[in-house]
Amino acid sequence: GQSLEQPSEVTAVEGAIVQINCTYQTSGFYGLSWYQQHDGGAPTFLSYNALDGLEETGRFSSFLSRSDSYGYLLLQELQMKDSASYFCAVRSMDSNYQLIWGAGTKLIIKP
Amino acid sequence: DGGITQSPKYLFRKEGQNVTLSCEQNLNHDAMYWYRQDPGQGLRLIYYSQIVNDFQKGDIAEGYSVSREKKESFPLTVTSAQKNPTAFYLCASSIGGANTEAFFGQGTRLTVV
Repeated sequence: GQSLEQPSEVTAVEGAIVQINCTYQTSGFYGLSWYQQHDGGAPTFLSYNALDGLEETGRFSSFLSRSDSYGYLLLQELQMKDSASYFCAVRSMDSNYQLIWGAGTKLIIKP
Repeated sequence: DGGITQSPKYLFRKEGQNVTLSCEQNLNHDAMYWYRQDPGQGLRLIYYSQIVNDFQKGDIAEGYSVSREKKESFPLTVTSAQKNPTAFYLCASSIGGANTEAFFGQGTRLTVV
C-alpha cells in the first residue's frame, strides 16, 4: 500500500526556522507536493519536487530524497501568518497519479 | 477573476436525504477533483474527472455520485447511502496531465442533523 508520515504538530518561535518532515511509502513515485491550509480555509499550493534536491521559493524551501523516500518543507523567518497546517502529498503509479495526502502538520508559532 | 467556486459554504441535511454540492471553475482546467476532509485529517479523494463526460472513483467513492457534463462544472451528490457524511468537502481543479498544482475552492461544510 501507500502511506505518508508527517508530525502532527510542530511549535516554533516567530523569526525562527522550522523544518517539517515527510516520509512516504509508495510504488512508482512521481513527485512530492506541499500545501498550506489555514483553519477553515482551502489548501494552497506551496511547492513540488520530482527530482532530488532543494527547491527554494522565497522564505519557503522544499527538499526531496527519492532514495530515502523522504522530503521536508523548510520555513525561514517565521511570521505569525505562517501558523497553519502543512500537508505533504505524493503522486504515484499506485494512486493512478492522483494526489495522496498526509494527515498534516499543525504549525504553532509563538511570539 | 479566475477561480474555483463552491457553494454553499455551509449545508445542513437531514438523514436519508440526498444533497448536491456545487463546484464551478473558470480557469479552463481539464481536471477536477472532490475531496473529503475530516477534523485533523488529510484529504481523501472521492471522485476525479480528467475530461468532460468522464470521471473515476477515488478512494472513498461509496455513497457519492458526480457528473461532468461541462468543463466548468463538477457537482457532487452526497446520497443517503453515505453512512457518515458530516465533513468538510473540497473541490479542486488543475490543468491536468503531469501538472501537479491543484487550485481549491473554499469548501462546503456539510452537517447531518
